[in-house]
Amino acid sequence: GDSVTQMEGPVTLSEEAFLTINCTYTATGYPSLFWYVQYPGEGLQLLLKATKADDKGSNKGFEATYRKETTSFHLEKGSVQVSDSAVYFCALTEDFNKFYFGSGTKLNVKP
Amino acid sequence: DAGVIQSPRHEVTEMGQEVTLRCKPISGHNSLFWYRQTMMRGLELLIYFNNNVPIDDSGMPEDRFSAKMPNASFSTLKIQPSEPRDSAVYFCASSSGGAIYGYTFGSGTRLTVV
Repeated sequence: GDSVTQMEGPVTLSEEAFLTINCTYTATGYPSLFWYVQYPGEGLQLLLKATKADDKGSNKGFEATYRKETTSFHLEKGSVQVSDSAVYFCALTEDFNKFYFGSGTKLNVKP
Repeated sequence: DAGVIQSPRHEVTEMGQEVTLRCKPISGHNSLFWYRQTMMRGLELLIYFNNNVPIDDSGMPEDRFSAKMPNASFSTLKIQPSEPRDSAVYFCASSSGGAIYGYTFGSGTRLTVV
């Protein structure tokens, strides 16, 4: 079945550091891949997406590239800010109805 | 657009009581999803509706859980009777056009069953 595996957190970085959060997936077909962000006390918000192999999703300085050969969709940001502190979820869907979410990775950014 | 609206934000109830969680999706969205989030199990899809019709309820944990969507602007998730292990944050999400742009989540209802 479909599933998503994320690196465990928490990830603690200093402001302006480079961020990578790893995400790998297992799917039976050709999924679309998403990153969501959850701030404390709030619901998940869509951060970026990619719908086919080699697509790069980007938003607010975050990027992720759909790598079919490695079944990965790692999230990166060149310079994190304190305001990026949140929980990040990788997700996939094959039918745009049922999403499979990873367990989430908490990011703490220190000033 | 007010987004997906859930109520209440917090609910504390005693074991055995009935709990009803409410959701108003974004106007024009034709799909609605109920998720449960816990530390142990992460995000779990409980049930989803397309055009007010339940499509997949395989994630509903047991018969104590039920969900309805009487019209396009309202859905409920009911737990009867509630148990301490039901304590979690329950999210409602809606989407349009097959969620090509992803879901829009509500802020969630934090349920505590004591």
